[in-house]
Amino acid sequence: GQNIDQPTEMTATEGAIVQINCTYQTSGFNGLFWYQQHAGEAPTFLSYNVLDGLEEKGRFSSFLSRSKGYSYLLLKELQMKDSASYLCAVRDSNYQLIWGAGTKLIIKP
Amino acid sequence: IAGITQAPTSQILAAGRRMTLRCTQDMRHNAMYWYRQDLGLGLRLIHYSNTAGTTGKGEVPDGYSVSRANTDDFPLTLASAVPSQTSVYFCASSEGSTTGELFFGEGSRLTVL
Repeated sequence: GQNIDQPTEMTATEGAIVQINCTYQTSGFNGLFWYQQHAGEAPTFLSYNVLDGLEEKGRFSSFLSRSKGYSYLLLKELQMKDSASYLCAVRDSNYQLIWGAGTKLIIKP
Repeated sequence: IAGITQAPTSQILAAGRRMTLRCTQDMRHNAMYWYRQDLGLGLRLIHYSNTAGTTGKGEVPDGYSVSRANTDDFPLTLASAVPSQTSVYFCASSEGSTTGELFFGEGSRLTVL
């Protein structure tokens, strides 16, 4: 079966750096997405990786290793507003999105 | 503001009643999707439409139906609601079925008693 694994919850301190990991086993691979979802709100797009390597976008970076079935989302200079759930999703060989359950990130002052 | 509009935002429904969740997008996206989100689980695809006039079943289609008469609208119908359909429902769209990120509506919180 297809599976996306990410930690259920993480805690970090304001101003610090945090890395959220995502491992996947899917039928084929056509890209990996990270979304941010604040409590009670809709998911919003953060990043997309289809080739191995690091994609940087401001304070957020996303890394992909297709051979390892692994990605991480790196958040720098954490702010209180970064408290949210972070969802990892993989597009499989049928171009369907397989979603992880999300990682709830708690930022403490 | 361009995007996806869902209605209603919240609804309490008696079991056995029929309910339609509305979804409209103004981005002229070809593909549209309905997901449900339950605590501790990832987003699960109910139904999708790759283009106007076509629909397909997702991971959890039982008890739900959809139609896609035009590009903009993609309503989701629960023919006879059951308590296990209590969930938050998100409509989403993407430029194509194989390309682009998904844009989500604000969600519809449905409680079936």
